[in-house]
Amino acid sequence: KQEVTQIPAALSVPEGENLVLNCSFTDSAIYNLQWFRQDPGKGLTSLLLIQSSQREQTSGRLNASLDKSSGRSTLYIAASQPGDSATYLCAVRGAAGAGSYQLTFGKGTKLSVIP
Amino acid sequence: NAGVMQNPRHLVRRRGQEARLRCSPMKGHSHVYWYRQLPEEGLKFMVYLQKENIIDESGMPKERFSAEFPKEGPSILRIQQVVRGDSAAYFCASSPRLGVAAYNEQFFGPGTRLTVL
Repeated sequence: KQEVTQIPAALSVPEGENLVLNCSFTDSAIYNLQWFRQDPGKGLTSLLLIQSSQREQTSGRLNASLDKSSGRSTLYIAASQPGDSATYLCAVRGAAGAGSYQLTFGKGTKLSVIP
Repeated sequence: NAGVMQNPRHLVRRRGQEARLRCSPMKGHSHVYWYRQLPEEGLKFMVYLQKENIIDESGMPKERFSAEFPKEGPSILRIQQVVRGDSAAYFCASSPRLGVAAYNEQFFGPGTRLTVL
């Protein structure tokens, strides 16, 4: 059974800092990995999708890497801004049987960027 | 191009009542997924549907919960005889039918927050 862990659970940084969020998963047989942002009381916004054959994806100040063999992904946020404050979720899509239909989520990292 | 739409956004029910949650996928998307987010928990997969077919319902509770995605109209998640433990945010996602379905990104709606009194 796939399990996804995100560390740390919460992070507070001053504005302008670069930061890294970590995600690990127990079963390396995945199709892809997605990073999402969730604002309080709101839905999920997809930030980056990395297919299993890829090593990284970039969008603006965000860079996500994937090391499938070790079961790890990182989300790098450059020059953080107060507007980046949100909960960041990592989710993997399994490659085995019925698991390939569903995303398995971590519990998220709650990020606070202090002005 | 409108995103995934869910309604209602907030729903309050008393114990024993029925809750109906609706999801309209993005235009051109034919795959729908339902997830539940309990307080202080991560999102958990419930069910995956295509038009008129339930493909995977391995995450659905065995009783009181059902889902459908008819040929016409939105997907419906139905919870009968709600209990306090059903209070949660219910999210719907959709994806297109392009090539290998598993490679396609899932796009999420804003969710329905169900409160059971």
